[in-house]
Amino acid sequence: GENVEQHPSTLSVQEGDSAVIKCTYSDSASNYFPWYKQELGKGPQLIIDIRSNVGEKKDQRIAVTLNKTAKHFSLHITETQPEDSAVYFCAASNKVTGNQFYFGTGTSLTVIP
Amino acid sequence: DTAVSQTPKYLVTQMGNDKSIKCEQNLGHDTMYWYKQDSKKFLKIMFSYNNKELIINETVPNRFSPKSPDKAHLNLHINSLELGDSAVYFCASSQRRAIEKLFFGSGTQLSVL
Repeated sequence: GENVEQHPSTLSVQEGDSAVIKCTYSDSASNYFPWYKQELGKGPQLIIDIRSNVGEKKDQRIAVTLNKTAKHFSLHITETQPEDSAVYFCAASNKVTGNQFYFGTGTSLTVIP
Repeated sequence: DTAVSQTPKYLVTQMGNDKSIKCEQNLGHDTMYWYKQDSKKFLKIMFSYNNKELIINETVPNRFSPKSPDKAHLNLHINSLELGDSAVYFCASSQRRAIEKLFFGSGTQLSVL
């Protein structure tokens, strides 16, 4: 089955700096890679996703890049703000696994004002 | 209106008891899920239902029994609770049985004493 690894497990940045979280996956059939943000006491919420026919996707301060050859994808947050502090999860899925998502182990991001 | 709502938010109980968690979604989605998040924040799928039909059943003890009376509801019943069952349980839904955005509920924190 699919194995998704995520690094780092914790990340602290100064407000205004950039944050990068990286994930690798093992199943070359995986073709959908979402990122979820989980705030304290809440459920995860999708913030951005990318499909394997695209190398990069941006949404305001958030971007995701995908390298299919190396089987890794990354989340980039620019101009970080205190409200970006949360746990971030990457995930991978494909047609074979259907709607079964394999999640990374999470990154706890702290943005220091 | 809350899209995916689950009750109760907190559940504290003794070992050996039986308890249920309820989930409802008002998004008109066809597919619903139960995820377990352990103390290290690791998210793992337990079950998935598509239009009341069980489609994913991970290696979960048979003390856990999901029930979907209709496609808007997915409940989780747990028999003979054990200490290791303590975790946060998330209900989620997606529009179709496909690679789709997941909408999560706010979670039920189960503590088994």
